[in-house]
Amino acid sequence: GDSVTQMEGPVTLSEEAFLTINCTYTATGYPSLFWYVQYPGEGLQLLLKATKADDKGSNKGFEATYRKETTSFHLEKGSVQVSDSAVYFCALSGGSYIPTFGRGTSLIVHP
Amino acid sequence: DVKVTQSSRYLVKRTGEKVFLECVQDMDHENMFWYRQDPGLGLRLIYFSYDVKMKEKGDIPEGYSVSREKKERFSLILESASTNQTSMYLCASSPLNSGNTIYFGEGSWLTVV
Repeated sequence: GDSVTQMEGPVTLSEEAFLTINCTYTATGYPSLFWYVQYPGEGLQLLLKATKADDKGSNKGFEATYRKETTSFHLEKGSVQVSDSAVYFCALSGGSYIPTFGRGTSLIVHP
Repeated sequence: DVKVTQSSRYLVKRTGEKVFLECVQDMDHENMFWYRQDPGLGLRLIYFSYDVKMKEKGDIPEGYSVSREKKERFSLILESASTNQTSMYLCASSPLNSGNTIYFGEGSWLTVV
């Protein structure tokens, strides 16, 4: 079945540092790929998505590129802020109605 | 703007009580979901519905049931609450077709004492 593996956290960075959160997936066919973010005490919200190979999703300075050859969708940001502290979930949606989520990676950004 | 509304943000219930968690979406989505979120375990799917009166078990349905009498409303029921059901519960919805964004409510924190 489908699966998503993302790096375990917490990831702890200083403000303005470069961020990478790794995500790899296993799926049949051509799934859509997503990053969701969950701020403290809230539900998840869509951060960015990509629907086909080589697509780049971007939002709020975050980027991720759909790499079919490496089955990856790594999240990056050039300069993180304290307000980016949250839990980030990688997810895919393929042939099933039910999306598959990774376990989440907690990001802590210090001033 | 897309909206998934969970009726209660914080609840405290006693062991053995029947608990209802309500969720309403205003986007005319066919699919609705109930997840449970616990530290270190990520999101775990409890139940899923793809149409009115239709439901399917997710990964952890034991101790839970659901009701979908109207398209916009999906209720999670704990028949007899237990302390191990203390958790954050997230409702979500999405359009019928796979590959679509899923939209979440803000979550309901349930404590069973």
